[in-house]
Amino acid sequence: AQKVTQAQTEISVVEKEDVTLDCVYETRDTTYYLFWYKQPPSGELVFLIRRNSFDEQNEISGRYSWNFQKSTSSFNFTITASQVVDSAVYFCALSPNGANSKLTFGKGITLSVRP
Amino acid sequence: DTGVSQDPRHKITKRGQNVTFRCDPISEHNRLYWYRQTLGQGPEFLTYFQNEAQLEKSRLLSDRFSAERPKGSFSTLEIQRTEQGDSAMYLCASSLNPSGNTIYFGEGSWLTVV
Repeated sequence: AQKVTQAQTEISVVEKEDVTLDCVYETRDTTYYLFWYKQPPSGELVFLIRRNSFDEQNEISGRYSWNFQKSTSSFNFTITASQVVDSAVYFCALSPNGANSKLTFGKGITLSVRP
Repeated sequence: DTGVSQDPRHKITKRGQNVTFRCDPISEHNRLYWYRQTLGQGPEFLTYFQNEAQLEKSRLLSDRFSAERPKGSFSTLEIQRTEQGDSAMYLCASSLNPSGNTIYFGEGSWLTVV
């Protein structure tokens, strides 16, 4: 069975602070994919990143960075110098490398960035 | 570049009525998914299609729910005899084979059953 745990439910920071969103996953698959999505108030899930389980290199994209640690089954997401526009719900998700790509989502973390 | 589009975006219906949602995936995508999201929760998988074939259905998809993708392009999700517990956002998504490719979501269709 697949499971994604996002223990933090709500985080509030002041603009320009750094913030890390935690994600822990469980899977019996040896190969799998991990994702982060952003959901602004409009409702659309915006794709942020996909990571293959074979690739443990950390990734940086502008103010966003991701830390994948297979040993602890974690895939954490850091926003550096947060901005008000980063306010949204962030979901971590897991997909098996099988016949389909259905995603198992965590419950999401509501991030509020105050000016 | 056209993303996944869903219609209607919002629907209010009386309990017992039928509703239908439409999804137009990204044009070259052969996989299409339906998810349901309730307040405070992450999306939950309902069903998915590979071209016109419905390959998997979640246990969440009761017999009042039916999804079709007749020509392998757009899809419809129909809910018959709606119940208040059906109130949720219904998200459509699409992707390209093979497995692991990024799944792109639409803006969702909000359903309120009163």
